[in-house]
Amino acid sequence: ILNVEQSPQSLHVQEGDSTNFTCSFPSSNFYALHWYRWETAKSPEALFVMTLNGDEKKKGRISATLNTKEGYSYLYIKGSQPEDSATYLCASYTGTASKLTFGTGTRLQVTL
Amino acid sequence: KAGVTQTPRYLIKTRGQQVTLSCSPISGHRSVSWYQQTPGQGLQFLFEYFSETQRNKGNFPGRFSGRQFSNSRSEMNVSTLELGDSALYLCASSPGRGSTSPLHFGNGTRLTVT
Repeated sequence: ILNVEQSPQSLHVQEGDSTNFTCSFPSSNFYALHWYRWETAKSPEALFVMTLNGDEKKKGRISATLNTKEGYSYLYIKGSQPEDSATYLCASYTGTASKLTFGTGTRLQVTL
Repeated sequence: KAGVTQTPRYLIKTRGQQVTLSCSPISGHRSVSWYQQTPGQGLQFLFEYFSETQRNKGNFPGRFSGRQFSNSRSEMNVSTLELGDSALYLCASSPGRGSTSPLHFGNGTRLTVT
């Protein structure tokens, strides 16, 4: 993996469903993995910053895991609500680039 | 605490013109980064400034430039505008440099080049 890739590109779930998305990133010279939530007409908001292999972070119904050896992170949303509708961005920071490289995001739509 | 403020929110310019965008970071934040977002693309890194010095630059032509002032406010300039420069430009600040500082984004400047 040379770039940050996110899947799926978009997702449509019903209220109450649990869902998860994937972020793949270069595993060499890894420093950190960031997750952001970007709601329409607002600015991106930081969810998590993760650095250690096996790291798990949780914020309410949202949690994330990190595997630095194989270069992937999962974001989970338990019991999706309409207010979870947003684009979820991940970004990796490597020592090689010394900057955050963003994926194109997963667009989540939660309907009643 | 006030958030990151970007001005203007919207801008319409003609090809060949130049434009300056402004970003005021959160008070106390010394790092300011700029990103470009176009449809179908992720946020593309433009540059990062810390303590008035450009620390990193993305793969953009020399028409894109920036600077940071002593109060950490930053400006981004694009000269000789092209149609492809139409995009949302986001500014983000963080307390320091480094991989573990989450970014705090502004609402962006939507630039349209006609």
